[in-house]
Amino acid sequence: AQSVTQLGSHVSVSEGALVLLRCNYSSSVPPYLFWYVQYPNQGLQLLLKYTTGATLVKGINGFEAEFKKSETSFHLTKPSAHMSDAAEYFCAVREGSQGNLIFGKGTKLSVKP
Amino acid sequence: EAGVAQSPRYKIIEKRQSVAFWCNPISGHATLYWYQQILGQGPKLLIQFQNNGVVDDSQLPKDRFSAERLKGVDSTLKIQPAKLEDSAVYLCASSLGRRTGSSYNEQFFGPGTRLTVL
Repeated sequence: AQSVTQLGSHVSVSEGALVLLRCNYSSSVPPYLFWYVQYPNQGLQLLLKYTTGATLVKGINGFEAEFKKSETSFHLTKPSAHMSDAAEYFCAVREGSQGNLIFGKGTKLSVKP
Repeated sequence: EAGVAQSPRYKIIEKRQSVAFWCNPISGHATLYWYQQILGQGPKLLIQFQNNGVVDDSQLPKDRFSAERLKGVDSTLKIQPAKLEDSAVYLCASSLGRRTGSSYNEQFFGPGTRLTVL
């Protein structure tokens, strides 16, 4: 069975600092991995996804994530945080192209001026 | 392109009452999903439709929850009777359909309906 663990329910960084949100997954088959962002009172928006090929994937708003099979991780990073990045971030896994999305519990990112 | 529409955006009811949520997916999207997002947790799939047929409803509490997708377009999710633990955001999502290729299955989410059961 698939599962996703997001380390840290709340992360706080200063504006301009590195953002690192951690995600570990388990899957019995090669996974498809996703990061979604949710702003208050809004639905989820896809930030980036890994399916096959290059393990470093770039997404919107300057975010990127690296798939590390040996570590079963898919951590999300951004070199320099902006106030507008404050939101909740969800990591999700899917078994290949056909399975259902399984979400982690989310990490709330706060950005201090 | 218009996104996934949901209504109402907010709903407050008392326990044992009934409630219904409506979703209009992106035009042309064959697959529709309903998720429940309890505060502090990630979304959990309740039911998935392919056109007007149910693909997966294994997580739907069928004693109180029901959903339909008439004509393979709009969908409604109903709770009857509601319990306190049903307080959550109900998210609707849609995707083009179940074919190989990741982009074909990308899910697009609506803004959600926030349900409070008192």
